[in-house]
This record gives sequence, C-alpha cells and structure tokens, in this order.
Amino acid sequence: SQQGEEDPQALSIQEGENATMNCSYKTSINNLQWYRQNSGRGLVHLILIRSNEREKHSGRLRVTLDTSKKSSSLLITASRAADTASYFCATGPGGAQKLVFGQGTRLTINP
Amino acid sequence: DVKVTQSSRYLVKRTGEKVFLECVQDMDHENMFWYRQDPGLGLRLIYFSYDVKMKEKGDIPEGYSVSREKKERFSLILESASTNQTSMYLCASTTDTQLRVYTFGSGTRLTVV
Repeated sequence: SQQGEEDPQALSIQEGENATMNCSYKTSINNLQWYRQNSGRGLVHLILIRSNEREKHSGRLRVTLDTSKKSSSLLITASRAADTASYFCATGPGGAQKLVFGQGTRLTINP
Repeated sequence: DVKVTQSSRYLVKRTGEKVFLECVQDMDHENMFWYRQDPGLGLRLIYFSYDVKMKEKGDIPEGYSVSREKKERFSLILESASTNQTSMYLCASTTDTQLRVYTFGSGTRLTVV
C-alpha cells in the first residue's frame, strides 16, 4: 500500500539551483521522514519532522509539513553534483514500527 | 558507527534454487525489515520482525520466508527462486525509541536466471 507519494518522479536542474520535491500521504502520522538513495545502494536517513512541527532545517535541507493537507516538501538549496540521487519520503501509519515509502523522486544535478 | 550488513552485493541464482539473503545489525535493534525495490514500484515490505523468533508478513510475503534466531540476524529465504524475484533487496533495522528512523544495509541485487 502506498502511503507517501512523491512529486515529481524525476527532476533535472543545474548545479547551484534549488531543488524542491513534494510528498503526499493518506493517513495520520506521528512523523514524516526523508531518505536518500545513491544509485544501487541502500537508503540513508536525511531528516525527520514530527507532526507538531511545520518546518525543519538541516544544513542545506529544509523540510516543511502541512498536516491539514497531508503533504510535505523537501528543499535542497545550492545543489551540488553529489546531490544526484533518489529521494524518498516515508511515513508510519498506526502504532507499528514499519514505514511505508513512496516511489521516490530521481534528482539529477547537471554540472 | 552503526551498521546493517547484507552479506552479498550481487547474487545470481538459478530458477528453483533455495536462496538465503543474510542481514546482520550491530545496534541491538529490536525491529528488522526486508523490502524489495523494483523500478516503478518503489519499496515494498516483504516481512518484518519485532523480536527474536517473531515474524510478521508485510505486503508481499508470497514466495518468501524469514528466520530470526538471534536478535542481530534476520534472514530472508526464497524457497524456490523464480525469475519474478529478480530485484534489489534491502534490509533495515530500527529500535523502539528511534521514532522509526531506519538504518539500511547496502542492498543485495539478486538476479534469478
């Protein structure tokens, strides 16, 4: 079952530009997380935002959460070629520990 | 540095073979998960485990089984591999106090021929 769905599916920008990815989800959440996956590798946790938070920053990352619209966005500022990867949002419906991941946004940064 | 280790990065097996994918974590995590990742389908949960000797089916358990005899090790078993099980397999773990922040292994790309 798909809980988080990312938009767009693919994004290609020039180095130095900002990249914005969006995520929508269906049920109530305790928190929403963003992960990054380099090609052919495992996912790496980037940032977590709790349901009672609206915005969170970590380095060049900025995450927003709108629980009324059941949506989140991930902004990467001043993009670098090394940011080229797929980005996934993840949420956990209910009390279980399991997360449900979206299909991801494939981000390409062109030098 | 916390770590989830998957025993193989690449694996090629024949149809009908019994295949074991091993995952070991060194963080004393209670919860462990197996996902498969396919283009256009994202990550889909196969099985998970909350404790030693406990297992629960995820969204796509058919054709798979799991074993968790020790807390640090969670094995995924393909009883009789088929070509439609060709995929990237990802293991992850988390602890109850971590707000479900997962640590993933590097993945095993399995090809069944």
